Amino acid sequence: EIVLTQSPTTMAASPGEKVTITCRASSSVSYMYWYQQKSGASPKPWIYETSKLASGVPDRFSGSGSGTSYSFTISSMETEDAATYYCHQWSSTLTFGSGTKLEIK
Amino acid sequence: QVQLKESGPGLVQPSQTLSLTCTVSGFSLTSNSVHWVRQPPGKGLEWVGAIWSGGSTDYNSALKSRLSISRDTSKSQVFLKMNSLQTEDTAIYFCTRFNWYYFDYWGQGVMVTVSS
Repeated sequence: EIVLTQSPTTMAASPGEKVTITCRASSSVSYMYWYQQKSGASPKPWIYETSKLASGVPDRFSGSGSGTSYSFTISSMETEDAATYYCHQWSSTLTFGSGTKLEIK
Repeated sequence: QVQLKESGPGLVQPSQTLSLTCTVSGFSLTSNSVHWVRQPPGKGLEWVGAIWSGGSTDYNSALKSRLSISRDTSKSQVFLKMNSLQTEDTAIYFCTRFNWYYFDYWGQGVMVTVSS
């Protein structure tokens, strides 16, 4: 099983600040996927195939990486971006990262 | 439009069997796979298992011995059965559609509590 390690576990950012979350895989994966989940709601697809934005996702979000190292970036934090973000892979048996809780400062 | 809705008992006794149903609409189970993902209270997401469009199944290896996923395509329903439930199985259980790239539609989830 491929283990996905996200960092940081929690963080707070001010409006307008750049945010970066990393996801490291225990073995190489072909692509990384990211989901957004707000409290009490179901997860939503956010980034797929490492860098493609899901429908409706603002272009201040981006993703990059390859092999075992991936990142998720918000170029300019907005209040509505406060949520928990999970990385996910399905190159091997499907697994999720443990999540990064992003709060607004 | 595409919708998924989970249903099942909110409370299950330890050592008993959990039975959940995911009723879908807006797509065919023979065109897309449906997966189960669970989330213990205050914790992260855990992939449980899947039934693929062709009818084959895959399970989380940690749950495989206790888990069965099946479907009734005529009723657009997917079933999850998990036996020997323990308190660690307390979680919100989501069903979600896989569009061959990612999980694009999710149900609202059903909270399952394992307690006597």
